[in-house]
Amino acid sequence: RKEVEQDPGPFNVPEGATVAFNCTYSNSASQSFFWYRQDCRKEPKLLMSVYSSGNEDGRFTAQLNRASQYISLLIRDSKLSDSATYLCVVNRVGYSTLTFGKGTMLLVSP
Amino acid sequence: DGGITQSPKYLFRKEGQNVTLSCEQNLNHDAMYWYRQDPGQGLRLIYYSQIVNDFQKGDIAEGYSVSREKKESFPLTVTSAQKNPTAFYLCASSSGGVSSSYEQYFGPGTRLTVT
Repeated sequence: RKEVEQDPGPFNVPEGATVAFNCTYSNSASQSFFWYRQDCRKEPKLLMSVYSSGNEDGRFTAQLNRASQYISLLIRDSKLSDSATYLCVVNRVGYSTLTFGKGTMLLVSP
Repeated sequence: DGGITQSPKYLFRKEGQNVTLSCEQNLNHDAMYWYRQDPGQGLRLIYYSQIVNDFQKGDIAEGYSVSREKKESFPLTVTSAQKNPTAFYLCASSSGGVSSSYEQYFGPGTRLTVT
């Protein structure tokens, strides 16, 4: 099982739609979880950290399910500007490094 | 403005030449990282450094070298021993030190093309 797995997509949604991405991780001892956003040919940018209790930032909601070892990202009221690749990121247990998933591509159309 | 700078944005080299990519940060972060990204691939860790004058190999260190003489700077040299050097190289930094996994912040990247 890969350390971090994501559905590559693309997810094609119309403006205003709600879309959700899931990501699974292999090491149950992982403690730090993040979602990053990467625009085409640009660097990844931190979207939000994921906390055990779940957290929300405007239209974005992140959830962690430790029992099933997955994290999710929900985007409400999608905007054209949300079109990007969303990277799921988990700490590598025993190292001070992060493991990045390959990303899920989102395309929001008018 | 605090941030991470990488230069140049685009770099072209002939096969057999070594090339050094620059990465500077003024965030006062202890840890710095180098990644490589190929089309359709995730980020792969090349080297990282948690403190000045110390660094560790990542998953794909062969053909690369680094130095960390100053807290602000973490240059990466792509040597002629690297079989497929053409890629998008990303530098990142983090406030975390040893045994921590804090969020990382990225520079704009350098696209290296070797022909």
